[in-house]
Amino acid sequence: QQQVKQSPQSLIVQKGGISIINCAYENTAFDYFPWYQQFPGKGPALLIAIRPDVSEKKEGRFTISFNKSAKQFSLHIMDSQPGDSATYFCAASNKGTYKYIFGTGTRLKVLA
Amino acid sequence: DGGITQSPKYLFRKEGQNVTLSCEQNLNHDAMYWYRQDPGQGLRLIYYSQIVNDFQKGDIAEGYSVSREKKESFPLTVTSAQKNPTAFYLCATSDGSNTDTQYFGPGTRLTVL
Repeated sequence: QQQVKQSPQSLIVQKGGISIINCAYENTAFDYFPWYQQFPGKGPALLIAIRPDVSEKKEGRFTISFNKSAKQFSLHIMDSQPGDSATYFCAASNKGTYKYIFGTGTRLKVLA
Repeated sequence: DGGITQSPKYLFRKEGQNVTLSCEQNLNHDAMYWYRQDPGQGLRLIYYSQIVNDFQKGDIAEGYSVSREKKESFPLTVTSAQKNPTAFYLCATSDGSNTDTQYFGPGTRLTVL
């Protein structure tokens, strides 16, 4: 019940295309859902995050869609660029628990 | 220059040796975390600390130890009891505010020879 399932494991997209990464969770107590971007040999950096009181959040080319009833959330990268090539992690946490549950990551490659 | 520093960036250890990884922050954050990252397994929580002089085990604490004597520092010791220590180790902090956002350091890659 504490797992966050992330898919796909890897993704190849053409430049200018839309990249979509999905995550699903079971624990309905989760109330914070961040996405992190990680380049090889670097620490993850927060990309965008959402709480379940909204169904969508957009920051530039990055959008989180959240479906509370289905217990799913996804990251959409519009107009994907080669510089977006990285590993993306979703996560979930309960407010105040100080603990994240991470998905297993998606390695994105954007072809020039 | 604010942020989280981890040292060293690369670390090599012989089997049977203990080794300590450093994590320092000047963000004035209360909470600090240690994660281990292996290929295809995401990030797994080793230990976390919400306040000075207090810490809790995460999901994979066996073979590791920590201390939190200062707010700014949260060193991780990988002991000889850790059977497969080769991995990328990440330190993170959070301020415990409503956002619960965790910020990560640059990581230390540990290789056991």
